[in-house]
Amino acid sequence: DTEVTQTPKHLVMGMTNKKSLKCEQHMGHRAMYWYKQKAKKPPELMFVYSYEKLSINESVPSRFSPECPNSSLLNLHLHALQPEDSALYLCASSQEPRTGGKLFFGSGTQLSVL
Amino acid sequence: AQKVTQAQTEISVVEKEDVTLDCVYETRDTTYYLFWYKQPPSGELVFLIRRNSFDEQNEISGRYSWNFQKSTSSFNFTITASQVVDSAVYFCALSESTGGGNKLTFGTGTQLKVEL
Repeated sequence: DTEVTQTPKHLVMGMTNKKSLKCEQHMGHRAMYWYKQKAKKPPELMFVYSYEKLSINESVPSRFSPECPNSSLLNLHLHALQPEDSALYLCASSQEPRTGGKLFFGSGTQLSVL
Repeated sequence: AQKVTQAQTEISVVEKEDVTLDCVYETRDTTYYLFWYKQPPSGELVFLIRRNSFDEQNEISGRYSWNFQKSTSSFNFTITASQVVDSAVYFCALSESTGGGNKLTFGTGTQLKVEL
């Protein structure tokens, strides 16, 4: 199994809603990532979890709250988002959190904030 | 600071033509890794190749080939005999040394359109 699975594939939410994005991998990878990608732009790193601990936070606003319940799961909790947060949110994993590790990406959650 | 430049925003070719996607990078690290990823319309980023800074050998995989030149800080990607299924956005990326983990810096991407 070399897949990273993200749910839901599409999400529409209002600015007052609370929602969560989910990501799962069963490759035994010990590093997991959240990326944000706006239309026609490259992915931008948001968070990195190494061995289930948050190791990188790229100064992401607190309305995005990551959680890593175990080594296979990664969540991104969303609250009080703004329309400019509409984007494709990509989850990825790598075997180890070291520099140069190959990242496996999910197909993303397309988020629209109204 | 690390930087990856993909000067070609969009390239259109006719099927069976060869096409080269350019990538130029900047880094102060002596050990670094370069990647190419493909992003089809479905959205998933698909890994194509990884190359470390000590391995300047060019690589060929089927219709794909990569030319890594440290002297010019370039890591170009060539598709031979392009096919419609090659239509996608292609990203070059550089892996950055951090204390916290693995961080990829992506270029802005090149949209490749292959037409019949």
